[in-house]
Amino acid sequence: DQQVKQNSPSLSVQEGRISILNCDYTNSMFDYFLWYKKYPAEGPTFLISISSIKDKNEDGRFTVFLNKSAKHLSLHIVPSQPGDSAVYFCAASGRTGGSYIPTFGRGTSLIVHP
Amino acid sequence: GAGVSQSPSNKVTEKGKDVELRCDPISGHTALYWYRQSLGQGLEFLIYFQGNSAPDKSGLPSDRFSAERTGGSVSTLTIQRTQQEDSAVYLCASSLGTSAYEQYFGPGTRLTVT
Repeated sequence: DQQVKQNSPSLSVQEGRISILNCDYTNSMFDYFLWYKKYPAEGPTFLISISSIKDKNEDGRFTVFLNKSAKHLSLHIVPSQPGDSAVYFCAASGRTGGSYIPTFGRGTSLIVHP
Repeated sequence: GAGVSQSPSNKVTEKGKDVELRCDPISGHTALYWYRQSLGQGLEFLIYFQGNSAPDKSGLPSDRFSAERTGGSVSTLTIQRTQQEDSAVYLCASSLGTSAYEQYFGPGTRLTVT
């Protein structure tokens, strides 16, 4: 029973265009959401996060949108660059026994074509 | 500035043997997490250490799995009597604490059980 779902296993985008990666969650107790980026043979690296008190957070080319009523968040990358090609993981966390152990989705593989 | 390191990077073992995987977190990080990623799956939480508190072992899949964290720093994940379904990439992450949601991941250990 996946609490965090990334329904698109892969996404292909042309360089310069917008990449939109989607993530859905089921647990209404989640109050903090993160995106991680993973290159092959490396561990995931933190990209951007958003608290449930916000609906948007922007950092350079990366923007995360949160729609709490729909339990949906998305990551926008504008403009997309070939170096953005990686697997992107969505993660969600909430207070569980006093810890904030994130639950991860299965990832979306983004390919940005030159 | 050293990040999270893990050793070995690759481990091939025979079914039924025990293995030990090591994680060196970032100095000063009080929280340490173990995850595993099986082929085509997301990151599956295994165990979490926070300071001197009792670890959260809720993600360990069976009693063949155990982990220690000595001196609040280095951690060892032990898998006894390995099975083929244990084959995965085992990832370690650390963070400043429960209030710091951003995790820093190591490169992982790829375990193959033959």
